[in-house]
Amino acid sequence: SQTIHQWPATLVQPVGSPLSLECTVEGTSNPNLYWYRQAAGRGLQLLFYSVGIGQISSEVPQNLSASRPQDRQFILSSKKLLLSDSGFYLCAWTQYGRGRTNEKLFFGSGTQLSVL
Amino acid sequence: GIQVEQSPPDLILQEGANSTLRCNFSDSVNNLQWFHQNPWGQLINLFYIPSGTKQNGRLSATTVATERYSLLYISSSQTTDSGVYFCAAADTGANSKLTFGKGITLSVRP
Repeated sequence: SQTIHQWPATLVQPVGSPLSLECTVEGTSNPNLYWYRQAAGRGLQLLFYSVGIGQISSEVPQNLSASRPQDRQFILSSKKLLLSDSGFYLCAWTQYGRGRTNEKLFFGSGTQLSVL
Repeated sequence: GIQVEQSPPDLILQEGANSTLRCNFSDSVNNLQWFHQNPWGQLINLFYIPSGTKQNGRLSATTVATERYSLLYISSSQTTDSGVYFCAAADTGANSKLTFGKGITLSVRP
């Protein structure tokens, strides 16, 4: 069966520090991968998605970037965190890649990021 | 892009009661999903239901695509049903992505 791992679960970082959140999927190949952010008490905002290695699309221009160095690995990064980067970050995947989007979306357990 | 609206925003139930959660969307869809976020933040996919009706235990969902709405039914609610329920929809565009509603916060009291 397929599983998704996301870490760390919680992270407290000072303003201006770098960020690296990692997500890996097991049990499937060529998944579509996604990074979402959920601000406190609000819905989910799509930040980045990827249909393959090295292929990243950004939905919202901001202080963050994403990379996909391997088929089942997705990384969210920042060079210098801002206070406004605080939130709950969720990695997600759909079962088929190659641009197909009509599949069930499965989420990782999330990372609660506090920028102080 | 597509607009997704959920109602009511908040719902309080007594354990054992039934409820209906509504999701309206502004365009034709080829992807509609319901999720439950538990109090620890974990999001669970409940249904993939761009049209028709599905049932899973005490939960069922119906999407009437021609009228642009979906309903999630919870029967015999339990305290573990508490959390936030999200509806997400994607229009029929070639590269459309899911747009999430703001969620419905459900509290089931013992």
